[in-house]
Amino acid sequence: DIVLTQSPATLSVTPGDRVSLSCRASQSISNYLHWYQQKSHESPRLLIKYASQSISGIPSRFSGSGSGTDFTLSINSVETEDFGMYFCQQSNSWYTFGGGTKLEIK
Amino acid sequence: DVQLQESGPGLVKPSQSLSLTCTVTGYSITSDYAWNWIRQFPGNKLEWMGYISYSGSTSYNPSLKSRISITRDTSKNQFFLQLNSVTTEDTATYYCARSLKTGTYFDYWGQGTTLTVSS
Repeated sequence: DIVLTQSPATLSVTPGDRVSLSCRASQSISNYLHWYQQKSHESPRLLIKYASQSISGIPSRFSGSGSGTDFTLSINSVETEDFGMYFCQQSNSWYTFGGGTKLEIK
Repeated sequence: DVQLQESGPGLVKPSQSLSLTCTVTGYSITSDYAWNWIRQFPGNKLEWMGYISYSGSTSYNPSLKSRISITRDTSKNQFFLQLNSVTTEDTATYYCARSLKTGTYFDYWGQGTTLTVSS
């Protein structure tokens, strides 16, 4: 199985900050990496596909980068509605998810 | 708009089988895409379980392959999850979700249904 490791586990930030969330794969997955946001008691919502491709309806402050084994989700100027869990998911070999990063208000 | 809605018993006893239903509206499950089951354990870990494609082919997570079956009723635009011989470790929130057939992401999700395995 391809293991995805997300860091940090928890990130405490102030609205308006720029943040970067990391996802590292146990082997190269090219750009088969996707990002989701999950708010409390809701289902995950797709934010970014194929490492850096934007999704219709997702605010432009969300962006993704990386390839191979190292990936980053960036949020430019965090808003209060952005707080919650973030997961990465790979589709290079079957489908696995990272353990998540919790974005919380400082 | 595409919508998915899970339904299920809520509580199942150990060693029994669980059966869940996903009802899809706004899109025919025989037109395209793969129709997946994903679960989220307490503590937030997500696990892909398997899918049934628009053509009826299936693919399962190897870790579950001996216990899982995904089927469908095209007349009702529904697909189903059956998981046999459940244990307390199968306690989770179960989601159905849509994806392209291979190498891809999940673009529409249901709201999830919580299943507890307990005697």
